[in-house]
Amino acid sequence: AQSVTQLGSHVSVSEGALVLLRCNYSSSVPPYLFWYVQYPNQGLQLLLKYTSAATLVKGINGFEAEFKKSETSFHLTKPSAHMSDAAEYFCAVSDRETSGSRLTFGEGTQLTVNP
Amino acid sequence: ETGVTQSPTHLIKTRGQQVTLRCSSQSGHNTVSWYQQALGQGPQFIFQYYREEENGRGNFPPRFSGLQFPNYSSELNVNALELDDSALYLCASSSGLARTGELFFGEGSRLTVL
Repeated sequence: AQSVTQLGSHVSVSEGALVLLRCNYSSSVPPYLFWYVQYPNQGLQLLLKYTSAATLVKGINGFEAEFKKSETSFHLTKPSAHMSDAAEYFCAVSDRETSGSRLTFGEGTQLTVNP
Repeated sequence: ETGVTQSPTHLIKTRGQQVTLRCSSQSGHNTVSWYQQALGQGPQFIFQYYREEENGRGNFPPRFSGLQFPNYSSELNVNALELDDSALYLCASSSGLARTGELFFGEGSRLTVL
């Protein structure tokens, strides 16, 4: 069984500061890993994904994440937060033996960006 | 290119009633999956339809059922509604079985069960 743990249900940063959202996964087979963002009253949008190519993955809006197998982590970072980054962020995992539509999501991290 | 659209956006039902939620997939996508997102939680996989057949199901009881039509649009039906069914229901479409998780989500249907 797969699972995802997002450490910190709420993260608050100042505009211009580093954003770090933590995600640890559990999977019995090599995983695919994803970060999705959800703005208020909207659906989820894919930020980036890891599918076993480069371990450092770059996504949209200046976000990136690094897959660390030894730590079973896939933390999301952005060097400089912008007010428009305020949203809820979800880490998700799927395995290579089932359809990628069957994602297991974490409980989410609400990011607040203070002026 | 038309994105994923869901209807209705909001609805209120009472316990024991039945509800049907609808989803139009993104143009060119033949796979639809449904997720339930309770307040303050991440989305949970309900089931997926590929070429009009159910192709994978999460840990949801049989009173959650679905359909996919020849144009790849989809319905989620929930019978005998319970209070805990109150949630945002998200539809996502993809091309093929999208093993790399390129899902495109609609804005959801928010169901309140009283």
